[in-house]
Amino acid sequence: QVQLQESGPGLVKPSETLSLTCTVSGGSISSYYWNWIRQPPGKGLEWIGYIYSIGSYNSGNTNYNPSLRSRVTMSVDTSKNQFSLKMRSVTAADTAVYYCARDVDRKRFDSWGQGTPVTVSS
Amino acid sequence: QSGLTQPASVSGSPGQSITISCTGTSNDVGIYNLVSWYQQHPGKAPKVIIYEVGKRPSGASDRFSGSKSGNTASLTISGLQAEDESDYHCCSYTRSGTWVFGGGTRVTVL
Repeated sequence: QVQLQESGPGLVKPSETLSLTCTVSGGSISSYYWNWIRQPPGKGLEWIGYIYSIGSYNSGNTNYNPSLRSRVTMSVDTSKNQFSLKMRSVTAADTAVYYCARDVDRKRFDSWGQGTPVTVSS
Repeated sequence: QSGLTQPASVSGSPGQSITISCTGTSNDVGIYNLVSWYQQHPGKAPKVIIYEVGKRPSGASDRFSGSKSGNTASLTISGLQAEDESDYHCCSYTRSGTWVFGGGTRVTVL
């Protein structure tokens, strides 16, 4: 049973870069779609983007939510079985619980991390 | 991309059936049978209960069922139980190769 765990700072200043990492255990990070999804307080879920890990290379195909594309970058580290999110120029609107999740065969998000809260405030 | 449209809240009495709608467009719900539904209890991560419109993953209750007509997908909960009180989110794959969620529906068991 694959398990995912998010990690990163819980507080980020406005205009700075939010950086989160998701560690995958119990399975390989290769050949799956790995996603970031967030949930602002009291609101619904918002898909941020995915990275598809190709073999043992630290590269992969990515696709991002059009509304966030200009500020988001995802990367993967196969040696550590981790993937990461960087979101630049954050504002208070980026305050949310951030989840990492696995997408199986483009059909569903079958495994989720527990979520990590991030607050954007000075 | 705009989010999918769900009712903010739905309620029902124990034993009843309720249906939650999820309306998208011909660029997402209407074009692919890749609609999934997620149950989320307070403070917890979402959990998939329906995928590919009407399929249930292993372990999901058979009281959950899904369907789709045109640009609208639906989740039906039969034999409503207290444990079903939760938030429910629909999600669809889109023509652009991205995913889009609905705003979520709070289900209350009266």
